[in-house]
Amino acid sequence: DGGITQSPKYLFRKEGQNVTLSCEQNLNHDAMYWYRQDPGQGLRLIYYSQIVNDFQKGDIAEGYSVSREKKESFPLTVTSAQKNPTAFYLCASSFEVDRGFQPQHFGDGTRLSIL
Amino acid sequence: DAKTTQPTSMDCAEGRAANLPCNHSTISGNEYVYWYRQIHSQGPQYIIHGLKNNETNEMASLIITEDRKSSTLILPHATLRDTAVYYCIVRGYNFNKFYFGSGTKLNVKP
Repeated sequence: DGGITQSPKYLFRKEGQNVTLSCEQNLNHDAMYWYRQDPGQGLRLIYYSQIVNDFQKGDIAEGYSVSREKKESFPLTVTSAQKNPTAFYLCASSFEVDRGFQPQHFGDGTRLSIL
Repeated sequence: DAKTTQPTSMDCAEGRAANLPCNHSTISGNEYVYWYRQIHSQGPQYIIHGLKNNETNEMASLIITEDRKSSTLILPHATLRDTAVYYCIVRGYNFNKFYFGSGTKLNVKP
């Protein structure tokens, strides 16, 4: 079945440590996204990528970095500069806008906590 | 992108239709209405979307008013597994602008 796979499901970070969250999709989608969700809140966009080797900052990119070396993969690194990283991280993908208003499809998330 | 307004929570009896309203009075002509739901600790699940005509799929129906200022998501026969937070989103050509608000918590009761 096609879908979006996020790993790990739970992740713990020590102070001063960088951690990388994985996101892989086999839907042949062009665009990929990272969101952050805090308890009782909606989603906030961190980064997005429309094509390979290109990505753009979202609303809350500070303290995060991404890469898009393959169409299927869009890993997110939470750096030590992100002072409040505890949250639920969601990856999504979609066809590009020129294919019409196709919806985004989401993975099941990674829950990051600070030790 | 237009903002949306949804009730904080709603209750529905199992087996009955659940009608979830959404107000998007500032929607513009090229903006679509999308509905997602999120069950605790899972990623949002796409349900349905539409522009101006009513839409139906295997999960739900979407009714958009003629002036497009509001819409209603209908789950025809709610089950306990439909208990979730339902999000109404309006989005246009800025595909990266996909704002989820706080949504409606639907409680389906036996």
